[in-house]
Amino acid sequence: EAGVAQSPRYKIIEKRQSVAFWCNPISGHATLYWYQQILGQGPKLLIQFQNNGVVDDSQLPKDRFSAERLKGVDSTLKIQPAKLEDSAVYLCASSLGSPVVYEQYFGPGTRLTVT
Amino acid sequence: AQSVTQLDSQVPVFEEAPVELRCNYSSSVSVYLFWYVQYPNQGLQLLLKYLSGSTLVKGINGFEAEFNKSQTSFHLRKPSVHISDTAEYFCAVNPGNKLIFGAGTRLAVHP
Repeated sequence: EAGVAQSPRYKIIEKRQSVAFWCNPISGHATLYWYQQILGQGPKLLIQFQNNGVVDDSQLPKDRFSAERLKGVDSTLKIQPAKLEDSAVYLCASSLGSPVVYEQYFGPGTRLTVT
Repeated sequence: AQSVTQLDSQVPVFEEAPVELRCNYSSSVSVYLFWYVQYPNQGLQLLLKYLSGSTLVKGINGFEAEFNKSQTSFHLRKPSVHISDTAEYFCAVNPGNKLIFGAGTRLAVHP
């Protein structure tokens, strides 16, 4: 089966610009996650969707970050305006269901550099 | 609040030697525990998980981990490593329906 797809793989922008990332989860996976992985740290959950509804966005900086999952399939994560500290790898993952016992499958990530 | 501490940021080891990557967690309730591996320029892949039952958990690629409730540890072991095991390894714990990851341990296998 096809894995989680993400694009672009790399993005370089200047601070105060906007950027968007796209994720296509594994077919049939109801739950979708966006993580931020800063260099030298483990992934940190930004937002979790169950179908097209938000389950947890407690760590999403809502003044600059937004995410949507229209029709419960693809998802986009946007940053506007970007700050230097947003430089990180943004990982998308999906799973069959919300309970953590369901394995999360990760995409290759988008590496964002903010200059 | 739950948290995960990976005691070693880097572990160098020679090929065919045994390795142990250490993970300690803090939680006031029962938890599930996970180990993920991240190869260069790739996403994370599940190595193994502890949900309940036997405290010795076997995973993919010859890795195993032992859940020790009294020491709140979940150390990852492999009896003989290969060059291809060079990667970043993350321990994770769940509070509710999400995962909290440790900072990672970089395993470097040398010939």
